[in-house]
Parts: sequence; C-alpha cells; structure tokens
Amino acid sequence: EPEVTQTPSHQVTQMGQEVILRCVPISNHLYFYWYRQILGQKVEFLVSFYNNEISEKSEIFDDQFSVERPDGSNFTLKIRSTKLEDSAMYFCASGNGHEQYFGPGTRLTVT
Amino acid sequence: SQQGEEDPQALSIQEGENATMNCSYKTSINNLQWYRQNSGRGLVHLILIRSNEREKHSGRLRVTLDTSKKSSSLLITASRAADTASYFCATDAVGTYKYIFGTGTRLKVLA
Repeated sequence: EPEVTQTPSHQVTQMGQEVILRCVPISNHLYFYWYRQILGQKVEFLVSFYNNEISEKSEIFDDQFSVERPDGSNFTLKIRSTKLEDSAMYFCASGNGHEQYFGPGTRLTVT
Repeated sequence: SQQGEEDPQALSIQEGENATMNCSYKTSINNLQWYRQNSGRGLVHLILIRSNEREKHSGRLRVTLDTSKKSSSLLITASRAADTASYFCATDAVGTYKYIFGTGTRLKVLA
C-alpha cells in the first residue's frame, strides 16, 4: 500500500540554522500539507499546497517558513532560522479531496 | 474556534471490552476524520466520514456523526492491547482542506 514518507526521522539543529524537511507524498495525490505537533500538544495545521502554490496557511506559517515541490515527487518544508520553539514533530500529509494521509513525521530538535 | 475536542481525555479498559470516544466541534464541516497515534509516532488514518453520512464501519471500528449536535463518536469493538494509542478527530471547515485536530483521547487496553 502506498505511503507518505519523510526524511530525516530526527533532525537536531542549532538555533538560527536553516533546516529542510523532506516528504515524498503518495504518487497520485495532488494536495500536500504540513502539520506540526509540539510535544504533548495538538497537531496544528501549517500549510496546504496545490497546483504548485500555497492554497492555505496558518498564522504559524510566517516568513521563516517556506514550502516547495522541487520535482515531481518531493515536497519540502524549509525553516530559515530555527528557534527553540520550532522543536516539534513535523508531519507531511497528502491526499486527493478531503482524505489526508500522514507520513511518520520528522522530529525536529532545536538546541 | 472550530477545534474538535475529544472526551474522555483518557480511557482505560480491559481487552475484549468496547471503547467509545467522542468528539465535538463548533462550526459546520465537510468531513471529519479519525486518526490513531502511537506514542511518538505518526498519524494513522482510520476513517473519514462526510457531513452527509451518519455512520461508517471499518473492521472493528464504527464511527457516527451527528451534525445537528456537532459531534462524532468512534467505537472500537472487542479491543486489543495493540489498540493502545491516542485517538484524534480532525475536522475541516466548509471551503477549506485544512484539518483542525482535537486534543485526543489516550486509550489504554489492558491485557
């Protein structure tokens, strides 16, 4: 069964550094999403992406964040200058229509 | 806000018993999804129920939706120790593809 995959599974970075989180959505899906979950808290929507552009974003998704679909298979989330409070699990999801299938997540630790 | 809220926050049952978790939300929705999350792991999609549906089944799972009460329930029948996880409902709003997650119910099934 096709799955959303994410790399790396765990990323440790220093405050102020840039990180790129990578996702490979399910191949025939057209909608892509990033969510995050701070430890012990709810899953929060960050951004949705369709037809090579952002279709919706939350207030969390500020200028420090960007998304890109650099080729036909990858979908990336870039955080330009990480802050301590960016430490969280970041989940990529993909879907067609309203079902969303999540990847296993990347645990980002900012020190 | 539109957030889903699950109750109970935690539930502990014996193997073989049924587990019922409830979710309430505040605004009109297109769809509601239930997810399972094992500790520190990714989100596993369980069931999507559309706003014009009242009940859906998948194996040992039964989901109901009452749009007049803005609530949904997830029933797991004949629970197993492997069902131990957190369960989240997620709702989208009319006109959007982003999902808002609830705080989750932590289910513990004792062998």
